[in-house]
Amino acid sequence: GAGVSQSPSNKVTEKGKDVELRCDPISGHTALYWYRQSLGQGLEFLIYFQGNSAPDKSGLPSDRFSAERTGGSVSTLTIQRTQQEDSAVYLCASSGHTSTDTQYFGPGTRLTVL
Amino acid sequence: GIQVEQSPPDLILQEGANSTLRCNFSDSVNNLQWFHQNPWGQLINLFYIPSGTKQNGRLSATTVATERYSLLYISSSQTTDSGVYFCAVERIWEAAGNKLTFGGGTRVLVKP
Repeated sequence: GAGVSQSPSNKVTEKGKDVELRCDPISGHTALYWYRQSLGQGLEFLIYFQGNSAPDKSGLPSDRFSAERTGGSVSTLTIQRTQQEDSAVYLCASSGHTSTDTQYFGPGTRLTVL
Repeated sequence: GIQVEQSPPDLILQEGANSTLRCNFSDSVNNLQWFHQNPWGQLINLFYIPSGTKQNGRLSATTVATERYSLLYISSSQTTDSGVYFCAVERIWEAAGNKLTFGGGTRVLVKP
């Protein structure tokens, strides 16, 4: 596709349930990033993929959060046993191979944990 | 980690006015991007500008890397310029990848 796509656009879940968020990067982009935007914390980095490996997971807030990327393309972010403080907009971005490439963002998934 | 501060936090403009947004950062960077977040939440790339000056229509940006700041200029503002403007940087010699650290944003409202 022309840009980064994410699904679902909105997700409402109950506390304690697991959720999966999906990201389709721009075709050919080898780097993929997950960020989170919340009222209290602003925009914060979660995890970075280069190809299928994740050399930087430093932003994942707890072990309830995990992510994978397969085939160097689609990525899923999984949150287990969701808590109310997980409510936020989860944004995915992709970029080319080098460290000086522009990052392009998807429209985000708005997660609400009741 | 690197600190990124944006000013002002809020800006109200009359349509047609010019404005300057500022981004200060606390360490050397090899990536700096300006984004506009529209009312629907989409982050739209404005500039990739780790140094120098760029212009795109009514918008221009200047980064003075040696003094650790960047400026975004909006000229002849329009109501469609409303939204939140973010500056984001990647610290030089970052261990892996180019994760961006975002500033707190400047919320702009352009009144007709």
